[in-house]
Amino acid sequence: SAVISQKPSRDICQRGTSLTIQCQVDSQVTMMFWYRQQPGQSLTLIATANQGSEATYESGFVIDKFPISRPNLTFSTLTVSNMSPEDSSIYLCSVDNTGTSQYFGPGTRLTVL
Amino acid sequence: DQQVKQNSPSLSVQEGRISILNCDYTNSMFDYFLWYKKYPAEGPTFLISISSIKDKNEDGRFTVFLNKSAKHLSLHIVPSQPGDSAVYFCAASGGTTSGTYKYIFGTGTRLKVLA
Repeated sequence: SAVISQKPSRDICQRGTSLTIQCQVDSQVTMMFWYRQQPGQSLTLIATANQGSEATYESGFVIDKFPISRPNLTFSTLTVSNMSPEDSSIYLCSVDNTGTSQYFGPGTRLTVL
Repeated sequence: DQQVKQNSPSLSVQEGRISILNCDYTNSMFDYFLWYKKYPAEGPTFLISISSIKDKNEDGRFTVFLNKSAKHLSLHIVPSQPGDSAVYFCAASGGTTSGTYKYIFGTGTRLKVLA
């Protein structure tokens, strides 16, 4: 397994601002994923972030709104841009090397006023 | 299109009894199936997985059963303990056309184990 940390753990932001969430892993991993869990709902994949290539976004998510960086094999950031109250959610990063198991960070709870 | 479904949003079980959580999927190309447990204010915790070529995998109190013909998997927890109270997500993983893989999650079942 991998130990994953996320910063910040929570934040309250004003409409129209942006927040960058950091994800740090204690070992090198091939694939990192960013998810969103809105209140009472399941985990929805935003994008897959591989080191050395552009992130792959799922339907309904675009790079302008959720730019992602993956500068090395242990770190990634997700930015939530031009936020609105609908972006209030828990944002989770996860890692996987094999396609057979995935490990999650503790999540970032975002509230947009 | 919900490819992974958990039709029971909640389940209550007495301590010591068996908890059975169910999950259905529609895509026969999934390679692996996984179960996660999630407590409030924490990230999901990996519990157990099963390959699509197997029909059962057991790890301590947790057993996952896969019925490929029915596109159905279940998680059995025996005996159930109050600390098992959490939201349980099933997930399925499969390859993509770009050569990577991704996971699809169900909507979750909230398990409450009564002392």
